[in-house]
Order: sequence, then C-alpha cells, then structure tokens
Amino acid sequence: NAGVTQTPKFQVLKTGQSMTLQCAQDMNHEYMSWYRQDPGMGLRLIHYSVGAGITDQGEVPNGYNVSRSTTEDFPLRLLSAAPSQTSVYFCASSYSGQGSNSPLHFGNGTRLTVT
Amino acid sequence: AQTVTQSQPEMSVQEAETVTLSCTYDTSENNYYLFWYKQPPSRQMILVIRQEAYKQQNATENRFSVNFQKAAKSFSLKISDSQLGDTAMYFCAFLRNAGNNRKLIWGLGTSLGVNP
Repeated sequence: NAGVTQTPKFQVLKTGQSMTLQCAQDMNHEYMSWYRQDPGMGLRLIHYSVGAGITDQGEVPNGYNVSRSTTEDFPLRLLSAAPSQTSVYFCASSYSGQGSNSPLHFGNGTRLTVT
Repeated sequence: AQTVTQSQPEMSVQEAETVTLSCTYDTSENNYYLFWYKQPPSRQMILVIRQEAYKQQNATENRFSVNFQKAAKSFSLKISDSQLGDTAMYFCAFLRNAGNNRKLIWGLGTSLGVNP
C-alpha cells in the first residue's frame, strides 16, 4: 500500500518557468489537498478537492492551478514560477463526509527552489 | 473563524523524561476533531494522535496522550519516556465536523528537541 505518492522530491526552477507537481493516492480518498510550508508560517492550504471534477481554492491559491480528473490524482501546476514560491509542498488526502474523523495522510513533500 | 495557537515555539526535554506541548483553539462549534502531527527532520508529516470533541475520555497512543479540556478549548500533548526519535516539529490541528470540507486549521508548531 503506497499511500500518498508525491513527485519530485526536489526541484529547482528559474523564474518564469512552469512545472507540475504530481500527487497520487491509492486509498480511494475523496478529499485531496495541496499545502505549502514556509518557516514561521506553518502549513497553508493552496487548493483542495472533495472529489473527481471538483476543486476549490484554499488560503494561498494565486500562481497555482489544480485539476482532479480522477479520484487518484491531484496535480499542482505552477504557471510561471516566482521566487516567492520557493517552499516545501505537501500533498495530503483523507476520507471525507460528515462525522468522519479521518486524518490527513501526507506525501513526503517536494522542496522547490525558484531562482 | 477558528484559530489554533501553539504558544511554545521551542522546547527541550531530557531523554526518558516527560514533556507537555500546549495547544489552544478558538471555535464556536460544538462538534469537531483535533489532531497532533509530528514532523521529524525527514520532513514527513506523521499523525500522532486524534481526539473527537464529543468524547470526554482523553485519547492515548502508547507514550503519547492528550489532555483535552473542551470548556477551556485546550488540547495539550504529553509525551512520556521521551526518546531521541521524538525530536521533531509538532503541529496541532483543528477540523470542523462539516461534511466533505476537510480543511484543517493548523497551529504554527512547536519544535521539540530531546537531549541524550
């Protein structure tokens, strides 16, 4: 059981480049999300999805796009990388629904540096 | 809006001793969930323990236990018999019991160092 698989682990981009961070889960979780983690700022939600075909914005969505064509995959796209997007990115998933105390399961993170 | 506060940015403890990490939250909800996550230097986020607000009994997981005070909106984590592998960043998180929306509210974390 792989859980949440996130690739790549490390990435260096130049300002203006685009890229996609991949996230896949094999637990049939309805809910998937992307966070960024910056020193002193904790975890901030970028985008999330409550099921295939449904996405919504989190706290810090600017500069990022997502799509959810399947239950398993939830890629995060950086449209035109900026130094302010240098961060560690986490994908996380869980079961959802009223009354569910399902915790988030996290991928191992991607350290992105934009120069 | 809900908020989560971890008032101790850094703590340290001697190996084999007990340490308590504090977490307070603000909400008008009556039914919700609380979590503690651990992030060791490997960067992986690991669930430590969870608590349902409707349960009066404090959750325990081996050496980890919580002191859940619903009226005081406090959710502290106690680590007994601390081990070197407990060195990590610890995050407290709040989740409303509100259908498919699984957006957690996170504290800023407490960095715990376990000294040999």
